[in-house]
Amino acid sequence: IAGITQAPTSQILAAGRRMTLRCTQDMRHNAMYWYRQDLGLGLRLIHYSNTAGTTGKGEVPDGYSVSRANTDDFPLTLASAVPSQTSVYFCASSDGLAGGPTDTQYFGPGTRLTVL
Amino acid sequence: GQNIDQPTEMTATEGAIVQINCTYQTSGFNGLFWYQQHAGEAPTFLSYNVLDGLEEKGRFSSFLSRSKGYSYLLLKELQMKDSASYLCAVMDSNYQLIWGAGTKLIIKP
Repeated sequence: IAGITQAPTSQILAAGRRMTLRCTQDMRHNAMYWYRQDLGLGLRLIHYSNTAGTTGKGEVPDGYSVSRANTDDFPLTLASAVPSQTSVYFCASSDGLAGGPTDTQYFGPGTRLTVL
Repeated sequence: GQNIDQPTEMTATEGAIVQINCTYQTSGFNGLFWYQQHAGEAPTFLSYNVLDGLEEKGRFSSFLSRSKGYSYLLLKELQMKDSASYLCAVMDSNYQLIWGAGTKLIIKP
């Protein structure tokens, strides 16, 4: 089934631990994104990748890192988790970056992360 | 700074019509998107506007006025399953999406 998968679905993590959230898409989209969503706030971009081999910082990148070794995978790593990173994390992908409907982003089901 | 404003919450009756407004101030404009998000689920794409005017898609329509920095999402013949949050997002000059906080729509029978 085409789309985006994320793992794990949910996780409870002790502060200070390292954690990698996985994201895989099979739509051959060029661009991929990581967002966090907190109650009362809009989706906030953490990191993005316009194409395999490149990454960029979004609005809230501190404490997170990403890599894009191939088209399909875009893992997000929390090097040393803190309670303020408790959130729902969504991965998304889009086909184009030239303006137009191909810029539409498609989302994975999300990972609910709690840092204690 | 960049800003997207939309009402926090709206209530409407099953079978009625509701209009959800969105105003924006962004660095450049490369299109406006509306997404629907049911509680506990991921956002799903509803509509895209880049030119002024109304785009109709079944029970849902989206309107854009670039000169006013304004859009609305119109939902007709409301159904209980339309209870969800509706997210407005604008693509800026760097092709990054700027998101509003979302409007929670409550449908009452």
